[in-house]
Amino acid sequence: DTAVSQTPKYLVTQMGNDKSIKCEQNLGHDTMYWYKQDSKKFLKIMFSYNNKELIINETVPNRFSPKSPDKAHLNLHINSLELGDSAVYFCASSQFLGQETQYFGPGTRLLVL
Amino acid sequence: AQKITQTQPGMFVQEKEAVTLDCTYDTSDQSYGLFWYKQPSSGEMIFLIYQGSYDEQNATEGRYSLNFQKARKSANLVISASQLGDSAMYFCAMREGRGSTLGRLYFGRGTQLTVWP
Repeated sequence: DTAVSQTPKYLVTQMGNDKSIKCEQNLGHDTMYWYKQDSKKFLKIMFSYNNKELIINETVPNRFSPKSPDKAHLNLHINSLELGDSAVYFCASSQFLGQETQYFGPGTRLLVL
Repeated sequence: AQKITQTQPGMFVQEKEAVTLDCTYDTSDQSYGLFWYKQPSSGEMIFLIYQGSYDEQNATEGRYSLNFQKARKSANLVISASQLGDSAMYFCAMREGRGSTLGRLYFGRGTQLTVWP
């Protein structure tokens, strides 16, 4: 049983395209997150949602737009992709905001050509 | 200033030996949480262990223990009886407890552990 799942696992696309990454958790958690891991493996938070409400919005280009249709889903849409967007994007969830453990999805490896 | 510092980019240990991965943190909060995650070459992030700032005992989970020294602001991960499957990147992370930062994890740069036979 997958706790936090992401699709697709790999995404190769051209500069300028628009793409979406989907995330679903079946843990019944209230809070979901998007993190970006760069080529040097550094992980940084991008967004968090609590009960479908945006809580954290890091300094991220507005080409990135998260959407949470319900508590179990948090999708990431990226417009006008740039070379620098190439990274691994991780979705995570925790039982509630500030709850101790965040469980991560398998990651989506985005390569922009 | 960096919130989490991992000073060891790489560590090597022989199978069955113990290894300590260093982590220091920087916060002025009284309430915070410290975490270790493992990222094998397959890429997923696996939660290993958690220590709360008010926990008096060091956290343990199987072969993993967290050596929490609050005054020194360190949260080192100790892996006992290393196994070949422990070879991975290990990340230390911190969650601060207040306001708009609530829920955000700050990560260190990671330590690449290699276990050799």
